[in-house]
Amino acid sequence: ELKVEQNPLFLSMQEGKNYTIYCNYSTTSDRLYWYRQDPGKSLESLFVLLSNGAVKQEGRLMASLDTKARLSTLHITAAVHDLSATYFCAVDMEYNNNDMRFGAGTRLTVKP
Amino acid sequence: DAGVIQSPRHEVTEMGQEVTLRCKPISGHDYLFWYRQTMMRGLELLIYFNNNVPIDDSGMPEDRFSAKMPNASFSTLKIQPSEPRDSAVYFCASSRYLYEQYFGPGTRLTVT
Repeated sequence: ELKVEQNPLFLSMQEGKNYTIYCNYSTTSDRLYWYRQDPGKSLESLFVLLSNGAVKQEGRLMASLDTKARLSTLHITAAVHDLSATYFCAVDMEYNNNDMRFGAGTRLTVKP
Repeated sequence: DAGVIQSPRHEVTEMGQEVTLRCKPISGHDYLFWYRQTMMRGLELLIYFNNNVPIDDSGMPEDRFSAKMPNASFSTLKIQPSEPRDSAVYFCASSRYLYEQYFGPGTRLTVT
């Protein structure tokens, strides 16, 4: 069974600081995704990572994928308040029983 | 495209009543997902369809829940009879192939 674990689940950080959110998954995966959810809102896609070593960046967020370690990271650089949200990673295995799972989410709070 | 459309956006009902949630996926998407989100349990995958066929319904909590997808542009999630513990936000999402998902705005269900 595919399992996806995120840590930390809760993260409070000061503006201007850097931090990393980790996403581990249990079996070989085809693809990994990062989503953002603002309070009271729906989820929106941030990044799609398709291969080992893939790195994508947008603004202060950078996501990377290491398929050998079954690990993805979401790095936050010089955090600002607008980044406060819950971040989810998700993994799918289209060619293995069509399995897919979301992580539990990391609730990020950026304080002034 | 209008994105994934869900209705109603809010539903308040009494325990024991039947509730039907509706979803219109993005045109051309062949996967449709139903999720439930609560503070206690986080984001849970209930069921998903590929080309209108249910692929995995292992997340459906019990027989009171049922989902159908009669055609490529419409799906329903029905709860009968509803219970207070069913109160949650229900999201529908769609994707092209088993890929990046696009989420609807959600239906906030309150069962009193």
